[in-house]
Amino acid sequence: QQQVKQSPQSLIVQKGGISIINCAYENTAFDYFPWYQQFPGKGPALLIAIRPDVSEKKEGRFTISFNKSAKQFSLHIMDSQPGDSATYFCAASSRNDMRFGAGTRLTVKP
Amino acid sequence: EPEVTQTPSHQVTQMGQEVILRCVPISNHLYFYWYRQILGQKVEFLVSFYNNEISEKSEIFDDQFSVERPDGSNFTLKIRSTKLEDSAMYFCASSVESPNTGELFFGEGSRLTVL
Repeated sequence: QQQVKQSPQSLIVQKGGISIINCAYENTAFDYFPWYQQFPGKGPALLIAIRPDVSEKKEGRFTISFNKSAKQFSLHIMDSQPGDSATYFCAASSRNDMRFGAGTRLTVKP
Repeated sequence: EPEVTQTPSHQVTQMGQEVILRCVPISNHLYFYWYRQILGQKVEFLVSFYNNEISEKSEIFDDQFSVERPDGSNFTLKIRSTKLEDSAMYFCASSVESPNTGELFFGEGSRLTVL
């Protein structure tokens, strides 16, 4: 049972471009939506998160857009840099657990 | 900076053997989790643990799996009789508050190889 669906599976962007990753969830018990970044050989690390009472949250070059009625949210990375190359996971949390999407491998070409 | 530490970093075992993966969560954290990741793919939730009991477990977390907090610092995952498909990277995580309140901090993982 895939509770959080994420696309695309992989993404290649030129340096300076915009990277967009999309996610959708089913369970309305989820009320916190973080994005995690994972580099090879490391555990995931929190990048940015949003609650469903706001439609957008921005931190530096990273923005989450949230559509509660559609149960969809997305991550936008502006001015993408080679150092952003990593795997990105959207997630959805309830009081007792956090479920990840399948991940998006982002490659930013110089 | 406080971090979640996991041991061993890599364990190789024979099918059918018992394995214990160990984690030391960040000291003031109250919520503990195990996830697994097969070959750099999806990070799958196994179990969450709070107040000395399981809060939530996934369909993956069957009777072959168990968790324990044997003392005030360690959090362990036991796999009773390993199968080939248990080969994965196992991540421990911890958080101060419930998972819908703040950040989960992940360790660097324990790679389990079942032969």
